[in-house]
Amino acid sequence: AQRVTQPEKLLSVFKGAPVELKCNYSYSGSPELFWYVQYSRQRLQLLLRHISRESIKGFTADLNKGETSFHLKKPFAQEEDSAMYYCALSGIGGATNKLIFGTGTLLAVQP
Amino acid sequence: EAGVTQSPTHLIKTRGQQATLRCSPISGHTSVYWYQQALGLGLQFLLWYDEGEERNRGNFPPRFSGRQFPNYSSELNVNALELEDSALYLCASSTQGQPQHFGDGTRLSIL
Repeated sequence: AQRVTQPEKLLSVFKGAPVELKCNYSYSGSPELFWYVQYSRQRLQLLLRHISRESIKGFTADLNKGETSFHLKKPFAQEEDSAMYYCALSGIGGATNKLIFGTGTLLAVQP
Repeated sequence: EAGVTQSPTHLIKTRGQQATLRCSPISGHTSVYWYQQALGLGLQFLLWYDEGEERNRGNFPPRFSGRQFPNYSSELNVNALELEDSALYLCASSTQGQPQHFGDGTRLSIL
């Protein structure tokens, strides 16, 4: 079965602390993985796409096929990083096919 | 570039009624996706339209239907509304090989 698991509903860290938002997936094939972010009162927006291998707003994520994980990391959290983060998977057809979302992790960065 | 637009912002209906939600994709995008975000259930894929055709459907009953018009805009219709249909309905659009971009959603409330 295709599934995305985000084990933490809430992650609270202090400003300047490292952040790791966990994402594990189950998929029989070669998936494409994404991180989407939703800031307060804004729409859901793409943060990272694994095939791009970019660093956006200081965040990185590496696809680990052995551990079927796609954890999101940032070395030093900022207050403006506080948001809801969703890990998502796309199957055949890559980005143009349906997305399967995890349940999301709320990141709260304390001053 | 104008983003994905959805209307109405809020929709209040009673049980048994029908609801119609509308979505205009980003210019140049031919694919439109619908997702349901119900409380406690996360983002669930509903429907995918591309070039006017339904390409994929999520695990929802037939009373959830839709269509895509020649200008690539889309409608989601929900018949025989039930209380559990209360949710935020998100529309996303994309073009070949590109990630999905989301609208602000329509919040459907069933009384």
